[in-house]
Amino acid sequence: SQTIHQWPATLVQPVGSPLSLECTVEGTSNPNLYWYRQAAGRGLQLLFYSVGIGQISSEVPQNLSASRPQDRQFILSSKKLLLSDSGFYLCAWSSLRTPRAYEQYFGPGTRLTVT
Amino acid sequence: GQNIDQPTEMTATEGAIVQINCTYQTSGFNGLFWYQQHAGEAPTFLSYNVLDGLEEKGRFSSFLSRSKGYSYLLLKELQMKDSASYLCAVRALNTGFQKLVFGTGTRLLVSP
Repeated sequence: SQTIHQWPATLVQPVGSPLSLECTVEGTSNPNLYWYRQAAGRGLQLLFYSVGIGQISSEVPQNLSASRPQDRQFILSSKKLLLSDSGFYLCAWSSLRTPRAYEQYFGPGTRLTVT
Repeated sequence: GQNIDQPTEMTATEGAIVQINCTYQTSGFNGLFWYQQHAGEAPTFLSYNVLDGLEEKGRFSSFLSRSKGYSYLLLKELQMKDSASYLCAVRALNTGFQKLVFGTGTRLLVSP
């Protein structure tokens, strides 16, 4: 079976500090990978998605970046955090080979608070 | 562009039935998902509709009308644990088969 991991679970960072969130998927190969942000009381905002190693599509211009150094690893980064970067960050994966092709499966999330 | 509308919040009592509506305007359509999200947790899959009609799955059912750009999630015999946000998400052709566009979610509060 497939599992998706995210870490850390919670993070408190000062404004201007760097960020690195990691997501890994087990039990599947060549998944599509996604980073979402959910601000308090708001919906899921797609930040980045990737269809393969080194292939990143950015949905929203901002001070965040993403990388996919390995097939099942997806990293979200920032050089300098802003207060507006606070939120719940969710990683997700999908695959054509799942029963409902391209249904998205979500990781447990990282709660980021920028102070 | 894409536009997905859901009510922000709904309340209901334990044992009752509640219907959560979702309307969408997308360039092309290739499936609609409903997810449940408890506070502080990840969304989990509830239902998937790609053809018109009703899909029933235990206490939960989902309906789709593609011509009207409309779906609803029906929850029967409500339980306290059903208090959560319910997210409607559409797979639109013009955004690529792999991507889902999410609504802002409907927060459902179930009271005793």
